[in-house]
Amino acid sequence: AQSVTQLGSHVSVSEGALVLLRCNYSSSVPPYLFWYVQYPNQGLQLLLKYTSAATLVKGINGFEAEFKKSETSFHLTKPSAHMSDAAEYFCAVSLSFGNEKLTFGTGTRLTIIP
Amino acid sequence: EPEVTQTPSHQVTQMGQEVILRCVPISNHLYFYWYRQILGQKVEFLVSFYNNEISEKSEIFDDQFSVERPDGSNFTLKIRSTKLEDSAMYFCASRVNQPQHFGDGTRLSIL
Repeated sequence: AQSVTQLGSHVSVSEGALVLLRCNYSSSVPPYLFWYVQYPNQGLQLLLKYTSAATLVKGINGFEAEFKKSETSFHLTKPSAHMSDAAEYFCAVSLSFGNEKLTFGTGTRLTIIP
Repeated sequence: EPEVTQTPSHQVTQMGQEVILRCVPISNHLYFYWYRQILGQKVEFLVSFYNNEISEKSEIFDDQFSVERPDGSNFTLKIRSTKLEDSAMYFCASRVNQPQHFGDGTRLSIL
């Protein structure tokens, strides 16, 4: 079975500062990994995905993540935070075959300090 | 860009009543999913559906739940006799390849 651990349920950064949201996964087979963002009262929007191609993945809104197999990590970063980045961020893992259901982490609420 | 559409956006139901949540997946997608998110908690997998049958279900998806794809466009989740603990946001998702595309959800409130 797969699992995801997101360290830090709440993260606050100043506007313009580096954003780092941590995600570690557990999977018995090579996984697919995803970051989704959820704005208040909205659905889940895909930020980026890793599906066994390049280990450094670039997504929307300036976010990127690096798949590190040796560390079982898939941390999300953005060089310079913007006020509009304030939201809940979910890391998710799936198997790379079968019905590929998503297993989500508990989420990290990102607050941007003006 | 095509979207997954869910209706209604908010459903209020008395405990013990049946409720049907509706989803219109993206038209060329083949795999369909329901997830739920209890307020303040993480998103949890309920069920996946492929080739007109359930491919996997979680332990949450007990006998009170059912899914159906009655025609070529709709994908529904039925809860037969709702309980207070069914109050949550329910998300529909669909895909052909990865990633899954999510709808905006239906907030279900059980009174």
